[in-house]
Amino acid sequence: GAVVSQHPSRVICKSGTSVKIECRSLDFQATTMFWYRQFPKQSLMLMATSNEGSKATYEQGVEKDKFLINHASLTLSTLTVTSAHPEDSSFYICSARDRDLHTGELFFGEGSRLTVL
Amino acid sequence: AQSVAQPEDQVNVAEGNPLTVKCTYSVSGNPYLFWYVQYPNRGLQFLLKYITGDNLVKGSYGFEAEFNKSQTSFHLKKPSALVSDSALYFCAVRPRGSSGGYNKLIFGAGTRLAVHP
Repeated sequence: GAVVSQHPSRVICKSGTSVKIECRSLDFQATTMFWYRQFPKQSLMLMATSNEGSKATYEQGVEKDKFLINHASLTLSTLTVTSAHPEDSSFYICSARDRDLHTGELFFGEGSRLTVL
Repeated sequence: AQSVAQPEDQVNVAEGNPLTVKCTYSVSGNPYLFWYVQYPNRGLQFLLKYITGDNLVKGSYGFEAEFNKSQTSFHLKKPSALVSDSALYFCAVRPRGSSGGYNKLIFGAGTRLAVHP
């Protein structure tokens, strides 16, 4: 089945630094990837839609300058949390849509837990 | 507004007993319907989906779900629960059509399933 790899799975950083999280589709091409944020015991909150070769589409209330998204190829999207602060600590999950499937199914990465000290 | 409701925060069931995790949705048209499972500190794993056809959908790990159009429900079921089924379960809906929400999954809040020995 389709596999989405997310890296790193855990990262701890100091306040003020930037952190990059990668999301890769390993055996399919993804024109569209999605980035979610999940708070403890809560559902996934869609942050942005990442489109290959174009700018990401951010959900209302999500700071695009804070959460930089790049989707430079059909298999890779990156989320960079710039100037991270403790309130950015969260579980970030990406998902990807196989461009050759038309069922709407999304494949999810394992998630990345960010802790900002 | 489009939404997915999982009315139970937690479902407790004894091992070997049948389980049901409820999901109802408020989405126009005939959406795609999904169930995902999340284990601690992990991404979401796909369980099953309804696209069209038979209202009873069979998925991974012995789970199944029944689509009821008149009640706009898509309840997850399993005839005999296992302790290892204990996890967080998310119902998700993807509207059909070419509107702005075409690519987006709408998630329910999640239901924690606890299976006791």
